[in-house]
Amino acid sequence: KNEVEQSPQNLTAQEGEFITINCSYSVGISALHWLQQHPGGGIVSLFMLSSGKKKHGRLIATINIQEKHSSLHITASHPRDSAVYICAVRSRSSGNTPLVFGKGTRLSVIA
Amino acid sequence: NAGVTQTPKFQVLKTGQSMTLQCAQDMNHEYMSWYRQDPGMGLRLIHYSVGAGITDQGEVPNGYNVSRSTTEDFPLRLLSAAPSQTSVYFCASSYTLVGELFFGEGSRLTVL
Repeated sequence: KNEVEQSPQNLTAQEGEFITINCSYSVGISALHWLQQHPGGGIVSLFMLSSGKKKHGRLIATINIQEKHSSLHITASHPRDSAVYICAVRSRSSGNTPLVFGKGTRLSVIA
Repeated sequence: NAGVTQTPKFQVLKTGQSMTLQCAQDMNHEYMSWYRQDPGMGLRLIHYSVGAGITDQGEVPNGYNVSRSTTEDFPLRLLSAAPSQTSVYFCASSYTLVGELFFGEGSRLTVL
């Protein structure tokens, strides 16, 4: 069974800090997603990646296929980055079954 | 573009009542799915569809029905609501199985 583990579960940072959120999974994957959910809000897709690194503004996502690990970095964090960040993966061998989700990392950025 | 439209946003039901959560997308996505989100747990898959006329069960399908008569619409039906179905429900779509995900705004359901 594919397990997705995120760490830390909760994270509090001061504005301006560099933030790293980790995601580990247990099986070979075809894609990994990073999602963002603001309090009381909907879910938006930040990145989808299967190898290497992607960057969008202050957000950077990396993945190491061999180590079955991905990281989401936020540079120069801001209070508006406060949200739950969710990692989700799709197993290579899962047929049509869609994603397996981590439980999320709750980030609070304090001004 | 409207993206993924999910209604209603809030609903309160009594035990035993039935209702339908609506989900529509205007992006011509083949892949649609329903999830529930509960405190302390990740998103859990209820049902999914890989195209019109094709649906399948996810991790927690009991008590829910779906149909996919068109590419655009994927309604979720609660047959006889139970307090255990109190949750936030999300509909999602993507162009392919590994494509970017688009989520609806969520529906908060309370069953008394």
